[in-house]
Amino acid sequence: DAMVIQNPRYQVTQFGKPVTLSCSQTLNHNVMYWYQQKSSQAPKLLFHYYDKDFNNEADTPDNFQSRRPNTSFCFLDIRSPGLGDAAMYLCATSRDDYGGETQYFGPGTRLLVL
Amino acid sequence: EDQVTQSPEALRLQEGESSSLNCSYTVSGLRGLFWYRQDPGKGPEFLFTLYSAGEEKEKERLKATLTKKESFLHITAPKPEDSATYLCAVRGTAGNKLTFGGGTRVLVKP
Repeated sequence: DAMVIQNPRYQVTQFGKPVTLSCSQTLNHNVMYWYQQKSSQAPKLLFHYYDKDFNNEADTPDNFQSRRPNTSFCFLDIRSPGLGDAAMYLCATSRDDYGGETQYFGPGTRLLVL
Repeated sequence: EDQVTQSPEALRLQEGESSSLNCSYTVSGLRGLFWYRQDPGKGPEFLFTLYSAGEEKEKERLKATLTKKESFLHITAPKPEDSATYLCAVRGTAGNKLTFGGGTRVLVKP
């Protein structure tokens, strides 16, 4: 089945220690998104890639970076995690980034910062 | 700015007790309204996309409807496995990002 895969499902890191979360997709979609979701809140968009074009949300902290080396993979780098960065990180994909294109989400990576 | 409000915040149902969830929205030029189901500790699972007022879509015990101001997710004869948080999101012409509501947590008791 075509799908969005996130690894790892759970990640524990130390305060200030860089961490990388990964996402892969077999849907061959052009767009890949990263969301942050804190407990009992709606997902918050951090940034997205349309193909190789990077689109950052205005309120995304500089501490968060992303890479998309090819169509299938996208990475979220947190350069110096703080306690406030503990959250579920969701990767999503869509065929295109306009109109009524549906976004399909992966299972998420739960990040814990000690 | 696009806005989405979901009500109620939480809903407790007995198995078989049908109910409806509301998603009220304001958006500049609706491109799509999306319903997702999210289980604890998991990513949102896509349910429906609605594009224009009057549109309806069904899947098993779920039926989504759309008007110019709101969408309803009807759950008919729910089962315990329908317990989840249901998220509504919209996308308008002003931008290309999804705006989510706060979700409705549904608990179906046997």
